[in-house]
Amino acid sequence: QSALTQPASVSGSPGQSITISCTGTSSDVGGYNYVSWYQQHPGKAPKLMIYEVSSRPSGVSNRFSASKSGNTASLTISGLQAEDEADYYCTSYTTSSTLEFGGGTKLTVL
Amino acid sequence: QVQLVESGGGVVQPGRSLRLSCAASGFTFSNYGMHWVRQAPGKGLEWVAVIWSDGNNKYYADSVKGRFTISRDNSKNTLYLQINSLRAEDTAVYYCAKALVVVSPWWFDPWGQGTLVTVSS
Repeated sequence: QSALTQPASVSGSPGQSITISCTGTSSDVGGYNYVSWYQQHPGKAPKLMIYEVSSRPSGVSNRFSASKSGNTASLTISGLQAEDEADYYCTSYTTSSTLEFGGGTKLTVL
Repeated sequence: QVQLVESGGGVVQPGRSLRLSCAASGFTFSNYGMHWVRQAPGKGLEWVAVIWSDGNNKYYADSVKGRFTISRDNSKNTLYLQINSLRAEDTAVYYCAKALVVVSPWWFDPWGQGTLVTVSS
């Protein structure tokens, strides 16, 4: 069981927006602005999409945005495209100077 | 361009040891923190360990503390993960990853392609 809770799956049609939640505690998500999000396509290495709660690395589409409220972080993908279909993982720094991953969310583009 | 190439994986008997390597190129290795992350077959990602750029600070997931040791040789641009007393639950693809920025190691990109460790008798 992962320390951070994500929905197992979400889906949306092309052009729509979806949001993936990531719920932790005050010892991780709620306590630090060190939440990041990774995208992983099947058989590929993960890719960083969001860091420090809401910052996008260079080259990541601005269709990806994120935020945090209390102990829950959220990733929003707008204007869904077929290429967005992948697994998404949140991570957070913790009070133990470690990182935790969420269990992952499978995004299906209908 | 940044390149991370893991090696050292394979089929290993339970109780044995293994050392994974991650050869880095395309950036000033000694300036960046580095991580190991693993993924069991068909499962999610699990953070394993981080090492600061100078090697002086290391942190581990509770699940591997005491059995895994992360280290680096900045003169060889190489990251290592020593795994002792291997267990079946250590079976996974092991990825190394580079901290995105110099000032903080807590988010990382890119990742290597991974090396598969299979623990089986």
